[in-house]
Amino acid sequence: EAQVTQNPRYLITVTGKKLTVTCSQNMNHEYMSWYRQDPGLGLRQIYYSMNVEVTDKGDVPEGYKVSRKEKRNFPLILESPSPNQTSLYFCASSPHFGEKLFFGSGTQLSVL
Amino acid sequence: AQKVTQAQTEISVVEKEDVTLDCVYETRDTTYYLFWYKQPPSGELVFLIRRNSFDEQNEISGRYSWNFQKSTSSFNFTITASQVVDSAVYFCALSDYTGNQFYFGTGTSLTVIP
Repeated sequence: EAQVTQNPRYLITVTGKKLTVTCSQNMNHEYMSWYRQDPGLGLRQIYYSMNVEVTDKGDVPEGYKVSRKEKRNFPLILESPSPNQTSLYFCASSPHFGEKLFFGSGTQLSVL
Repeated sequence: AQKVTQAQTEISVVEKEDVTLDCVYETRDTTYYLFWYKQPPSGELVFLIRRNSFDEQNEISGRYSWNFQKSTSSFNFTITASQVVDSAVYFCALSDYTGNQFYFGTGTSLTVIP
């Protein structure tokens, strides 16, 4: 089944403890991106990747890192999480830029 | 700067009523892409439609229709004869000319009352 898989689904952590949210797609898509969803703010783009080893900042990149070493994987790294990074995170992929996004199921992160 | 405005935060309608969700966008690009996504209570994001800036044809898909008007920078979404299953948050989104950066509206929460 074609899908975008995010793990974990839920994560509770403490301030400053490094964490990684994984994202993997099995559709051979070139483009991948990360978003955070907050009440009243909609979805905001954190980072995107146009292909392997090519990444760039979205609207709200501060406090996040990404890497794209393989086409299928695009992990989101929070090296020192803070409470204002508590949010619902979505990973997405698409065949090429400007095409429809296929979203993962989301990761609900709570930073205490 | 790119921006998407969904001024309707919450809408409630009675089943079988028609409802229109408004989306107004701002961009200086001549090439751009517009999207609608649905987020049902289960939380996943479901793609509904994609339009590029050169295609102003309105589209109908079953009970769903979309009205794209460049003159007013709007991309409105109408549900005809609404059903309870249409209850969800609906997001309008804009992608810039590169197709890499996406800008979402704040969403409209639609409740269809049986």
